Amino acid sequence: SQQGEEDPQALSIQEGENATMNCSYKTSINNLQWYRQNSGRGLVHLILIRSNEREKHSGRLRVTLDTSKKSSSLLITASRAADTASYFCATEPNTGGFKTIFGAGTRLFVKA
Amino acid sequence: EPEVTQTPSHQVTQMGQEVILRCVPISNHLYFYWYRQILGQKVEFLVSFYNNEISEKSEIFDDQFSVERPDGSNFTLKIRSTKLEDSAMYFCASGSLGYNEAFFGQGTRLTVV
Repeated sequence: SQQGEEDPQALSIQEGENATMNCSYKTSINNLQWYRQNSGRGLVHLILIRSNEREKHSGRLRVTLDTSKKSSSLLITASRAADTASYFCATEPNTGGFKTIFGAGTRLFVKA
Repeated sequence: EPEVTQTPSHQVTQMGQEVILRCVPISNHLYFYWYRQILGQKVEFLVSFYNNEISEKSEIFDDQFSVERPDGSNFTLKIRSTKLEDSAMYFCASGSLGYNEAFFGQGTRLTVV
């Protein structure tokens, strides 16, 4: 599999429920980021977590990073219909250059 | 709030033609990137640019592609001879530091016919 693989591929929940998305990656990283993309639109940066951090919060978002397992999770609490979007994890490999590798994304659908 | 601006939002071109996609990064940023997203697929890294030269590029970024920062504000991606498979959404991004978050533009949808 490729760097930055999210699961599940698709997630459907009721408004008010929590949504958890996972990401696994292969190589050592400098940081890991989560982005949101509404259908056909640009990418919105949500949160960045560095390789020496384990957990980070931003509003209703909680991100964890486990570098020993090469995995991360994004938790959206008390989801809203407006959270409906695709969510991508993106890793910055520790290769010396500047690039971000995106996963295939999780498509989240929040039902009102 | 400062943002990355891309023009045009949609471009249709004939196969074999040259296209230039334009981006105005956030003004105090130093790192610039191009990505593409074929419809329904993942976002793919093309190239990063720092200090007036390419920092890193992917296998996709072959001799048909080039980037330029012709002045202090624009960052362009040129595709010399477009192919049908170049049809995609192209995203420009910029960042203030190399290992910090990149801010993305809204994208240019390129359709090659």
